[in-house]
Amino acid sequence: EDQVTQSPEALRLQEGESSSLNCSYTVSGLRGLFWYRQDPGKGPEFLFTLYSAGEEKEKERLKATLTKKESFLHITAPKPEDSATYLCAVLRNYGGSQGNLIFGKGTKLSVKP
Amino acid sequence: GAVVSQHPSWVICKSGTSVKIECRSLDFQATTMFWYRQFPKQSLMLMATSNEGSKATYEQGVEKDKFLINHASLTLSTLTVTSAHPEDSSFYICSARGETDQPQHFGDGTRLSIL
Repeated sequence: EDQVTQSPEALRLQEGESSSLNCSYTVSGLRGLFWYRQDPGKGPEFLFTLYSAGEEKEKERLKATLTKKESFLHITAPKPEDSATYLCAVLRNYGGSQGNLIFGKGTKLSVKP
Repeated sequence: GAVVSQHPSWVICKSGTSVKIECRSLDFQATTMFWYRQFPKQSLMLMATSNEGSKATYEQGVEKDKFLINHASLTLSTLTVTSAHPEDSSFYICSARGETDQPQHFGDGTRLSIL
């Protein structure tokens, strides 16, 4: 069964303390992997798209990388405003029972000043 | 760019009434729109996929007669929760996508509370 697993479930950091979030996946036919940020009571906000192993994307303090089995979201010198739940979603090659896009359960990041 | 607007953001109504939620892509043409439901502290659960001018495809376990979806144009999809009951209370989120391999862009969700 296709799966997307994010770890850790929750992460508490001090402001300026860099870390990484993990998204591991087992899907038949990866077409792309997306990272989103979701604030409480809001819809997910698109961050990055990665299409092939070895690809990297950066935006401000965030950097996303992709291998054949997992993706990492690196957060460098985080600030309190980076606190949110980060979702990983994998676009697979066929519909299946869950549609084409499978979401992980997210990592809730809290950055303390 | 890629802005999706969803209205209303909050609805409180009595059991038995029907509620319509609108989802609009403001600055791009959405070939496909999606409707999700999200329970507290859980990830998004896909309810249905709709393509402009076609009938929606519902996920297993989603009642198509209760959750009516209309995708009449490339910028507008609506979800109507018919004869809503307290168990339908949830956070409903729509998303829109252009080409197949492009990311989905999400609205800010609708908090539905049925009394």
